[in-house]
Amino acid sequence: AQTVTQSQPEMSVQEAETVTLSCTYDTSESDYYLFWYKQPPSRQMILVIRQEAYKQQNATENRFSVNFQKAAKSFSLKISDSQLGDAAMYFCAYRSGRGGSEKLVFGKGTKLTVNP
Amino acid sequence: DTGVSQNPRHKITKRGQNVTFRCDPISEHNRLYWYRQTLGQGPEFLTYFQNEAQLEKSRLLSDRFSAERPKGSFSTLEIQRTEQGDSAMYLCASSLARLAVNNEQFFGPGTRLTVL
Repeated sequence: AQTVTQSQPEMSVQEAETVTLSCTYDTSESDYYLFWYKQPPSRQMILVIRQEAYKQQNATENRFSVNFQKAAKSFSLKISDSQLGDAAMYFCAYRSGRGGSEKLVFGKGTKLTVNP
Repeated sequence: DTGVSQNPRHKITKRGQNVTFRCDPISEHNRLYWYRQTLGQGPEFLTYFQNEAQLEKSRLLSDRFSAERPKGSFSTLEIQRTEQGDSAMYLCASSLARLAVNNEQFFGPGTRLTVL
């Protein structure tokens, strides 16, 4: 079974600074997808960024980028120019690329605090 | 609002009672998912539907849990004989299945269940 580990329960960053959230995963599959989701307090979860395992290039979405190390099974999220609105729980998630399995496997999350 | 909606948003019940939650997915989405999120944890997959067919169920979904999607649109999740351990946030998500494309799951706001 696949597992996702987020070793940082909490992180903090100063506004306008850069922060990196860590995620490692365990799988025997070669085809899969990785995601970072953001869950603001009392609000619904939204997708921040996704990475297909077959792509070598790291995904980027505006201020958000990932460092995908397939051999090391590592998938970290970098948030540049942090904003107060970035404060939230961040979840790393895995989905198999095998047909018929659609479930997301989540880590326990990292609570990000942005200090003004 | 064209996002995923869930009702009720909060439910307080006494141990032993039955509860039912409803999820309305994004209108054209043919896949619907249920997850459970307990305090301090990431969401855990429960089950998913493609149209009205329930295609995958987690071992977390005990005999007291049943989910339906009778017409391939909204879904209900029923918990019979609730236990205090059922207290959690129940999240619904939906996606549009398309071949050879990563199918993003869009999450609803969740139903928070408290079992006294």
